[in-house]
Amino acid sequence: DGGITQSPKYLFRKEGQNVTLSCEQNLNHDAMYWYRQDPGQGLRLIYYSQIVNDFQKGDIAEGYSVSREKKESFPLTVTSAQKNPTAFYLCASSIDRTGAVNQPQHFGDGTRLSIL
Amino acid sequence: SQQGEEDPQALSIQEGENATMNCSYKTSINNLQWYRQNSGRGLVHLILIRSNEREKHSGRLRVTLDTSKKSSSLLITASRAADTASYFCSSLDTGRRALTFGSGTRLQVQP
Repeated sequence: DGGITQSPKYLFRKEGQNVTLSCEQNLNHDAMYWYRQDPGQGLRLIYYSQIVNDFQKGDIAEGYSVSREKKESFPLTVTSAQKNPTAFYLCASSIDRTGAVNQPQHFGDGTRLSIL
Repeated sequence: SQQGEEDPQALSIQEGENATMNCSYKTSINNLQWYRQNSGRGLVHLILIRSNEREKHSGRLRVTLDTSKKSSSLLITASRAADTASYFCSSLDTGRRALTFGSGTRLQVQP
């Protein structure tokens, strides 16, 4: 079955530590996205990528980094510079080929990150 | 920046009743989408309505769009306990080709 896989489901970070959240999709989608969700809140865009080897900052990129070396993969690193990383992180993808904007996004089941 | 805002923030109804959620947005849109999120899970796409459409149906879902008022509504008819979830509207931030989401409506359907 096609879909998006996020791992791990739960992650704990020690102070001063960088951690990487994995996101893999087999939907052959061009665009991928990372969102942060705080309790009872909506989604805030961290980074997005419309094509391999290219990505753009969203609303809250500070303290985060990404890479897009393969179409299927868009890992997110939460760096030690992110002082309040505790949140639910969601990865999504969409077709987003030229002329097909606004396509529905497919989401993974998220990674819950907490500070030790 | 958040494009859409849902209203009410929380809604509690009895099974069998209808649930109506509203969404307001700020700028022009090509389409508006509604998503559902079960607790602790990712979002699931429910329905997309284009800017030239006024109403769209999908099963027990009915979505309306009023571009003059920059608002949309999602109606769930004959609700079930399994409809308990958060519901979000979203639209495209054309400046960066990424969807923006509101804060959502938390729907509780009592059995």
